[in-house]
Amino acid sequence: GNSVTQMEGPVTLSEEAFLTINCTYTATGYPSLFWYVQYPGEGLQLLLKATKADDKGSNKGFEATYRKETTSFHLEKGSVQVSDSAVYFCALSEGDKIIFGKGTRLHILP
Amino acid sequence: GAVVSQHPSRVICKSGTSVKIECRSLDFQATTMFWYRQFPKQSLMLMATSNEGSKATYEQGVEKDKFLINHASLTLSTLTVTSAHPEDSSFYICSAGGGARTIGYTFGSGTRLTVV
Repeated sequence: GNSVTQMEGPVTLSEEAFLTINCTYTATGYPSLFWYVQYPGEGLQLLLKATKADDKGSNKGFEATYRKETTSFHLEKGSVQVSDSAVYFCALSEGDKIIFGKGTRLHILP
Repeated sequence: GAVVSQHPSRVICKSGTSVKIECRSLDFQATTMFWYRQFPKQSLMLMATSNEGSKATYEQGVEKDKFLINHASLTLSTLTVTSAHPEDSSFYICSAGGGARTIGYTFGSGTRLTVV
């Protein structure tokens, strides 16, 4: 079945550092790919998405490119802020259903 | 568009009682509803999928008699945790499916259930 693998955390960075959170997927067909963010004590928020190969999703300084050849959708941000501290989930669609990775906890130190 | 409302956001109940969680699609018709559960510091695990007017399909290991799902209309699905116990304490999130334009967008804000 379809699945998502993302790097384990926690990831701890200093403010203004460059961020990469790796995500790879296994899927039949051509799923849409997503990154979600969950701030402490809150629900999920869709951060960005890409629906086909070579699409780049971007939002709030975060970017991820749908790479079919490497089955990857790595999340990047050039300069992180303390307010980016949260858990990030990579996910893919299977019909209307969303399949999530295990999540990566990000801590940004001031 | 594609807004989902989930209620309540937090609930504390006594062991042995039942709790109902509602998930509503506000501006579209949700032909499919998904219920997820999240244990502390873990990912979201799909519990069940329900289609309007039919019985829910439960994932392996999920007790259908413990977690009752009703999807009686195209805008409302409910999850009832019956005879709740402390191990049912968790974060429950719903998602509504209404076609291609809603995929990925339509999660509720979640319900934190604490059973004491």
